[in-house]
Amino acid sequence: RKEVEQDPGPFNVPEGATVAFNCTYSNSASQSFFWYRQDCRKEPKLLMSVYSSGNEDGRFTAQLNRASQYISLLIRDSKLSDSATYLCVVNLGTDSWGKLQFGAGTQVVVTP
Amino acid sequence: GAVVSQHPSWVICKSGTSVKIECRSLDFQATTMFWYRQFPKQSLMLMATSNEGSKATYEQGVEKDKFLINHASLTLSTLTVTSAHPEDSSFYICSAEGLAGAYQETQYFGPGTRLLVL
Repeated sequence: RKEVEQDPGPFNVPEGATVAFNCTYSNSASQSFFWYRQDCRKEPKLLMSVYSSGNEDGRFTAQLNRASQYISLLIRDSKLSDSATYLCVVNLGTDSWGKLQFGAGTQVVVTP
Repeated sequence: GAVVSQHPSWVICKSGTSVKIECRSLDFQATTMFWYRQFPKQSLMLMATSNEGSKATYEQGVEKDKFLINHASLTLSTLTVTSAHPEDSSFYICSAEGLAGAYQETQYFGPGTRLLVL
């Protein structure tokens, strides 16, 4: 079983619509969670950290469910520029601070 | 702030040659740098963790004699792919974790190096 699992998509989203997707992680001791964005043939860029209480950054909302071991990302009012692969990233636990485990990514395609 | 550069951005080389990739943190000091590899449509896989002034820690299955890592200063780490073969063709990405302050405990990624071994 992979440490971090994501639906690869693609999620085809009309411009202006809302899209949401999840990511599950297997290590219950994981401490930190992030969403990164990766554009085609580029490096990942940090989109947002995910906090226990959930957090919002503009049109992006992230949630963490420790009991079920998943995190989610919701994008409201999708823009064409939101088309990218979204990587779920998990810190591998208290004794591995700094060591990140990446999911394979969820592709989002926003269409006009 | 928090800019990480990599050089070169892409390399094409013949099988059997060695390739050196540099990773630099331009505006902050990085105690720890990480080297990842990403094959097409796959997730980033951590290859090794590099701490300034000490030996790198390699992930299981990564040959330390093949992927030589040197972290000579708080702003520079190098990855040398020795005797590269076509199966080493991949997207190599480094990240740097800051020493203190706002850069601490966050990894900033370099733009990556595409390696194609013929």
